[in-house]
Amino acid sequence: NAGVTQTPKFQVLKTGQSMTLQCAQDMNHEYMSWYRQDPGMGLRLIHYSVGAGITDQGEVPNGYNVSRSTTEDFPLRLLSAAPSQTSVYFCASSYSAGQYGYTFGSGTRLTVV
Amino acid sequence: AQSVTQLDSQVPVFEEAPVELRCNYSSSVSVYLFWYVQYPNQGLQLLLKYLSGSTLVKGINGFEAEFNKSQTSFHLRKPSVHISDTAEYFCAVSDGSNDYKLSFGAGTTVTVRA
Repeated sequence: NAGVTQTPKFQVLKTGQSMTLQCAQDMNHEYMSWYRQDPGMGLRLIHYSVGAGITDQGEVPNGYNVSRSTTEDFPLRLLSAAPSQTSVYFCASSYSAGQYGYTFGSGTRLTVV
Repeated sequence: AQSVTQLDSQVPVFEEAPVELRCNYSSSVSVYLFWYVQYPNQGLQLLLKYLSGSTLVKGINGFEAEFNKSQTSFHLRKPSVHISDTAEYFCAVSDGSNDYKLSFGAGTTVTVRA
């Protein structure tokens, strides 16, 4: 089983560029989330989805967009990259987060210069 | 929204010694509690979880955690650590009414020395 697959693993962007971080899961999970990880701050929720066609904001949504057209895919779009978005991004999915917890991808390390 | 406090940012420990990682959360009527481990350059892996029932929860790799409702704590313990336990550990909480939203603590880095 592939689990949660994130691409790319590494990316360097220039300020102002846009890009999409890809996330796909093959476990038929309804719940999917994007987190960013910064030193000393743990993981902070960017956006989440409770099913295809349903998304909502987390605690740090500014500068990011998401969509959920299928159960499997949950891409994260950076509209105009800023140095403050330099971080490690994790996608996660769950059948029911409260019961089983989330399964995490291996992360995308993004540097904005 | 839940808030999670991990009381120690760094815990150095010698091999075969015990370790305890402390986690407190803001109060709620019902919560689900998790501990995750992150090995260097990897994603997060679930160690254990508390949903209900017995307050002592056993997880993978010899870890266990104790839920204390009156102290709103969920401390993680291992009686004897190995070099391979060197990693970052995260406590996470979800509110029973919004269980798809996990709130994470800042993390505790455990460094095991020979």
